[in-house]
Amino acid sequence: DIVMTQTPLSLSVTPGQPASISCKSSQSLLYSDGKTYLYWYLQKPGQSPQLLIYEVSNRFSGVPDRFSGSGSGTDFTLKISRVEAEDVGVYYCMQSVLLWTFGQGTKLEIK
Amino acid sequence: QVQLMESGGGVVQPGRSLRLSCEASGFTLRTYAMHWVRQIPGKRLEWVAVISYDGTNKYYADSVKGRFTISRDNSKNTLYLQVNSLTIEDTAVYHCAREAVVAGARLIFDHWGQGTVVTVSS
Repeated sequence: DIVMTQTPLSLSVTPGQPASISCKSSQSLLYSDGKTYLYWYLQKPGQSPQLLIYEVSNRFSGVPDRFSGSGSGTDFTLKISRVEAEDVGVYYCMQSVLLWTFGQGTKLEIK
Repeated sequence: QVQLMESGGGVVQPGRSLRLSCEASGFTLRTYAMHWVRQIPGKRLEWVAVISYDGTNKYYADSVKGRFTISRDNSKNTLYLQVNSLTIEDTAVYHCAREAVVAGARLIFDHWGQGTVVTVSS
């Protein structure tokens, strides 16, 4: 099984300030087709998760450009350039190279 | 717009069974692979099962293999999850989620349902 580890598990950010979440996988997420199957989701309070980023760095439809994803191999990062109040919730990374596994989640709160 | 609506959850005793349903609207189910993902209260998301667009390929998490069965009826635009031999550890919110391929990119879980709650308790 591929284990996904996120850090930090929680962060408190002042509106307008940046935020960064790290996600590390126990093995490379580079698939034989040359793509890297790492995804980011946000679960807002009381809602189902929503897709933010697919294949490491591609924003899903409607996702603001303050969200960006980067990384390769086993190390990945989600960055929010300027946090807004609507960004609160739990962020999950997920891999789909070998079945599908999620990180444990990072809770973002507003200061 | 794309909508997924789960149903069938409830409170059951250990060892019993349930059949969860996920009705799709706003898109043609038969062209998409579909998944079930569960969320144990206060814990991380856990992928449960996947079924190919035509139902020929199915995969399961080790934790549910042999007890859960994923299926679909494309004529009814509905996805199912038969959950048998339930244990307390199966208590969770069960979501169905879509997998799409757009311009060569795999959009895993691009849409989710709100979930149906399964509580296993004696």
